[in-house]
Amino acid sequence: GQNIDQPTEMTATEGAIVQINCTYQTSGFNGLFWYQQHAGEAPTFLSYNVLDGLEEKGRFSSFLSRSKGYSYLLLKELQMKDSASYLCAVRDGDYKLSFGAGTTVTVRA
Amino acid sequence: TAGITQAPTSQILAAGRSMTLRCTQDMRHNAMYWYRQDLGLGLRLIHYSNTAGTTGKGEVPDGYSVSRANTDDFPLTLASAVPSQTSVYFCASSDSAGVNTDTQYFGPGTRLTVL
Repeated sequence: GQNIDQPTEMTATEGAIVQINCTYQTSGFNGLFWYQQHAGEAPTFLSYNVLDGLEEKGRFSSFLSRSKGYSYLLLKELQMKDSASYLCAVRDGDYKLSFGAGTTVTVRA
Repeated sequence: TAGITQAPTSQILAAGRSMTLRCTQDMRHNAMYWYRQDLGLGLRLIHYSNTAGTTGKGEVPDGYSVSRANTDDFPLTLASAVPSQTSVYFCASSDSAGVNTDTQYFGPGTRLTVL
């Protein structure tokens, strides 16, 4: 089976930076996705990495190291609206997405 | 455009009853998926369809069935509901399931409680 690990909860202050780590062990690899999910809502797509390195998209960046089975999502200049759950998902060799349990980020004033 | 719609928004169902969760997308995506989301477990794939007329089993298919008669609709049926099927169900769609850059987009979810 697939194994995707990420921390359960993180707390940070408005304006700060938070890094959410994700480690994975999957049968094959065809890309890693990050989704944001506000409470009671659907997951929404944030970022995609398939090659090693950093992908930057505004205040959010995502990094991938395939050799280490490791990714992180970096949230900069935190805003209250960034309080949400962040889901790490890996596309395996069968092109199916396996999700981590999610990291709940709480932004405090 | 509406994207992906799901119905009902929420439902309370007696154990042993049957139920069909509806999912419709207007993006002409080829692939569609059903996930369930439970606290502490993340999203788990129930069934999927890479294209109209085909379906496949995901990680947790037991107790569920699907059909894909056309591109837009992908209903999920619980033939005889059990309390362990209490969950939030998300439908998703994507353009091309076998492409690395393919991205899944999610519907608003159905909250199902089986008593």
